[in-house]
Amino acid sequence: QQQVKQSPQSLIVQKGGISIINCAYENTAFDYFPWYQQFPGKGPALLIAIRPDVSEKKEGRFTISFNKSAKQFSLHIMDSQPGDSATYFCATGNTGGFKTIFGAGTRLFVKA
Amino acid sequence: NAGVTQTPKFQVLKTGQSMTLQCAQDMNHNSMYWYRQDPGMGLRLIYYSASEGTTDKGEVPNGYNVSRLNKREFSLRLESAAPSQTSVYFCASRLQGKGNQPQHFGDGTRLSIL
Repeated sequence: QQQVKQSPQSLIVQKGGISIINCAYENTAFDYFPWYQQFPGKGPALLIAIRPDVSEKKEGRFTISFNKSAKQFSLHIMDSQPGDSATYFCATGNTGGFKTIFGAGTRLFVKA
Repeated sequence: NAGVTQTPKFQVLKTGQSMTLQCAQDMNHNSMYWYRQDPGMGLRLIYYSASEGTTDKGEVPNGYNVSRLNKREFSLRLESAAPSQTSVYFCASRLQGKGNQPQHFGDGTRLSIL
């Protein structure tokens, strides 16, 4: 089973700080890299996604940075807020493929 | 908009009992998935259905069976529950064939097996 390695497992950040979560993948054929956000008692929901033909994608306070040569991508949350406290999953997949491979998840807690 | 609906939300079983987890989506998606979520393990794929009438094994299929009843519904059955199957189960659906589409998840079924 091809893996996606996600770190850290948990993260505590002060309100207003920057949260950074990293992922590394193995298969260079992957061409879709989404991040999902999950609140307690809920299912994961798509937060932001990137394709490997760009190195960065920004949506509001959330940015994905992508390094194709290193096979790594990361999520940056700027000006972190208590409402951002959740579990974040990186994932990879192929356009047209049926499976998505998820990382193990990062539990983020933003202190007020 | 209901999205993906899972029933039940909670269930406690005794070892050896059987149970079916239900999932229905109203987004006209063609692909559907069952995952289990365990602490530190992320989301592991149990079975998936690429389209109505087809099902395939995922990463952890042992001890489970599935049925794609129609385009809307995809059920997961535990024939003889074991404590190792205590987990949170998520159903998801996805529109396949339209570029990169995300998976849409239900809110999960929390299953405890004693």
